[in-house]
Amino acid sequence: DTEVTQTPKHLVMGMTNKKSLKCEQHMGHRAMYWYKQKAKKPPELMFVYSYEKLSINESVPSRFSPECPNSSLLNLHLHALQPEDSALYLCASSRGGGGPDTQYFGPGTRLTVL
Amino acid sequence: GEDVEQSLFLSVREGDSSVINCTYTDSSSTYLYWYKQEPGAGLQLLTYIFSNMDMKQDQRLTVLLNKKDKHLSLRIADTQTGDSAIYFCAETPGDYKLSFGAGTTVTVRA
Repeated sequence: DTEVTQTPKHLVMGMTNKKSLKCEQHMGHRAMYWYKQKAKKPPELMFVYSYEKLSINESVPSRFSPECPNSSLLNLHLHALQPEDSALYLCASSRGGGGPDTQYFGPGTRLTVL
Repeated sequence: GEDVEQSLFLSVREGDSSVINCTYTDSSSTYLYWYKQEPGAGLQLLTYIFSNMDMKQDQRLTVLLNKKDKHLSLRIADTQTGDSAIYFCAETPGDYKLSFGAGTTVTVRA
């Protein structure tokens, strides 16, 4: 099973709202990722969690707040977003532990900020 | 910006072979990947090749790696309408990092 699930599939929010994106995997992976993808562009890495600790933050604005409650779950809390934050948000997971490591992606959450 | 380079578009007739090319930059990349993205969907891992290999075949997919020229290609035999998608090649410049190309949009025509 190489499945990563994400909820919700679609999300529309106003600039003053607070919402959360959720990601789950049951492959025993210890690394989890958030990516942002604009239309017709490749994904851009936002955050990496390794063994439930934040390992990489690619200078993401603080209106995006990641959380890793346990090794299977990854959240992305959203607050005071801007219309330019509208994008497809992808979660991925990998075995972890450093070195070559294949990432498996979820179906994404399509976010629209009004 | 992308250091990994791909041609942006490919049009192919149904039943023909498709070849998607990619030039990567990091000779230390241990694995090189091909991902497929259908409209409105996430990225699906298609295949990958270890850097000490020259070729890998998996059903209709053949990956060729030329390390000297840092050139990677993906051949899809007997291309079907379901193969219409964006194909991303990616290298691994460091732990947890994937460096993607811009993506090649493949259109399969009847």
